[in-house]
Amino acid sequence: NAGVTQTPKFQVLKTGQSMTLQCAQDMNHNSMYWYRQDPGMGLRLIYYSASEGTTDKGEVPNGYNVSRLNKREFSLRLESAAPSQTSVYFCASHLGGRAEAFFGQGTRLTVV
Amino acid sequence: QKEVEQDPGPLSVPEGAIVSLNCTYSNSAFQYFMWYRQYSRKGPELLMYTYSSGNKEDGRFTAQVDKSSKYISLFIRDSQPSDSATYLCAMRGLYSGGGADGLTFGKGTHLIIQP
Repeated sequence: NAGVTQTPKFQVLKTGQSMTLQCAQDMNHNSMYWYRQDPGMGLRLIYYSASEGTTDKGEVPNGYNVSRLNKREFSLRLESAAPSQTSVYFCASHLGGRAEAFFGQGTRLTVV
Repeated sequence: QKEVEQDPGPLSVPEGAIVSLNCTYSNSAFQYFMWYRQYSRKGPELLMYTYSSGNKEDGRFTAQVDKSSKYISLFIRDSQPSDSATYLCAMRGLYSGGGADGLTFGKGTHLIIQP
């Protein structure tokens, strides 16, 4: 059982480049999330999707877009990367409602 | 005031000690409380999950929730070097069916167990 899988694990981008972070879960969860984690800032919610076909902004959505491709997959896109987007990105999922969330292993992104 | 406050540490204790990790929160709507453990360069993994007030025990770990004081704790007995990690508290309210449903996290406490 793979749980939540993120790709890639590491990425270096130049300022202005674009990329998409991929996330897939095999637990049949309804809700999926993208967080970023920065030293001293903790985990901050970027976007979430409560169900297939819906997405909503979290605490820090600027500079990002998301797509809930189907129930399994939730992607995060950086259209024009900036050094301020250097961070570790985590995807998470849960059944919705009262269930706990499960996290992927993270994507470590550096923008130079 | 942040919704969830957690001392970032580091907290360094000798092997075998009892560890107490804590979070305070301000939002009385929080009903579900979780503790995640995060090893260096890994994703957070769920350690304990409790609903409303009370205690929950799982092996060497005990989670306590005091909703009247808006205070939650995680106790680790007989601490081991392998317990060295960052511990994140997390909370959420009841599912509203349409509102923001993400977890609210503390910033994490970095715990070091000295052999």
